[in-house]
Amino acid sequence: AQSVTQLDSQVPVFEEAPVELRCNYSSSVSVYLFWYVQYPNQGLQLLLKYLSGSTLVKGINGFEAEFNKSQTSFHLRKPSVHISDTAEYFCAVSDRAAGNKLTFGGGTRVLVKP
Amino acid sequence: DGGITQSPKYLFRKEGQNVTLSCEQNLNHDAMYWYRQDPGQGLRLIYYSQIVNDFQKGDIAEGYSVSREKKESFPLTVTSAQKNPTAFYLCASSTGPSYEQYFGPGTRLTVT
Repeated sequence: AQSVTQLDSQVPVFEEAPVELRCNYSSSVSVYLFWYVQYPNQGLQLLLKYLSGSTLVKGINGFEAEFNKSQTSFHLRKPSVHISDTAEYFCAVSDRAAGNKLTFGGGTRVLVKP
Repeated sequence: DGGITQSPKYLFRKEGQNVTLSCEQNLNHDAMYWYRQDPGQGLRLIYYSQIVNDFQKGDIAEGYSVSREKKESFPLTVTSAQKNPTAFYLCASSTGPSYEQYFGPGTRLTVT
């Protein structure tokens, strides 16, 4: 079965500093990869997705992620964070060989400090 | 505006009672999903349905039941057999080859 590991449960960062959230998944021949954001007491909103093609994916709100097949990673980055980026971020993997069900990582809570 | 609605936002029940959580979508999506979210544990799949009148168990189906009589609706019943039902419940839907899932706002269930 697919598994997803988000290596950092919490990431404190100062406003206007860069941030990187790490995501690794267990090996699979073909996967779709997603990053979602969740604000307190709300549902999840899609930030970006990798389906195929260019390994650098750009999403909403200035976020981007890079797919690295050899390292089975899909790290999320933002060059300059805002207070409004304070939220929880989830990496998810859809294994095309397993019916495309999503497997989620445990989440990374980002706290942006002024 | 297309989207997914879940009601109510907050739900309180006494132990031993069954409770049904509502999920409706007007996105014309074929597949619908129910997840449970607990602090620090990410999302865990309870049940999913890829077509009307058909559904499959996810990773933590024990103590839950669902129905899919209409494409738009996928209600979840938390039964008294669920040992620890207090959690945040999220409904999602998807369609198409990318299988991107769209989420509702969630229902926070508290059982005392």
